[in-house]
Amino acid sequence: EVQLVESGGGFVQPGGSLRLSCAASGFMFSRYSMNWVRQAPGKGLEWISYITSSDTSGTITYYADSVKGRFTVSRDKIALYLQMNSLRDEDTAVYYCGRDIALGRVAAVDYWGQGTLVTVSS
Amino acid sequence: QSALTQPASVSGSPGQSITISCTGSSSDVGSYNYVSWYQQYPGEAPQLMIYDVSNRPSGVSNRFSGSKSGNTASLTVSGLQAEDEADYYCSSYTTSSTLVFGGGTKLTVL
Repeated sequence: EVQLVESGGGFVQPGGSLRLSCAASGFMFSRYSMNWVRQAPGKGLEWISYITSSDTSGTITYYADSVKGRFTVSRDKIALYLQMNSLRDEDTAVYYCGRDIALGRVAAVDYWGQGTLVTVSS
Repeated sequence: QSALTQPASVSGSPGQSITISCTGSSSDVGSYNYVSWYQQYPGEAPQLMIYDVSNRPSGVSNRFSGSKSGNTASLTVSGLQAEDEADYYCSSYTTSSTLVFGGGTKLTVL
């Protein structure tokens, strides 16, 4: 069974940093591209980041304009990460990691984690 | 990248069919057949219902179908059931190699 479990969320002040993790199991993690998607309280979904599979040499990453230069996605053999710096109030959201259904381009998220809440407030 | 445009709400009676539209531009929906649809219940993670415009993942009811014409994609839910009441989001691949979501549509089963 495919499982994605996010962790690392919490309360942080504006300008602070946080690192989210997403532990993957039940599938060949290295073969799949992965995404981060967030959802502000009472709002819609916002795609924020994508990283290609780690099966080939080197990974490629993409970011939404809203987080580019502040957030960094990475991965190792068993988990996906999101380093979030210079956090703003508007980054407050539930952050989901998700497996991409396609190879080589961001396509669709076929499996989602349960999400982890990040609250940015002074 | 601007969000795709969806109606805020749609409604229908049990057994009826409804269609949710998702309007983008030539930078996303109009350029690729890479539109997806998600269903989300309150407090839960989204679930993929349709990908690549009209493909259903394994386990998704065939009452859900997708289509696209020009810059607008559509999700049709036929034979409405009470369990279909949820929020629905579309997404599309973009010319910037990113993904953009719609604002979401609340489906109410009357």
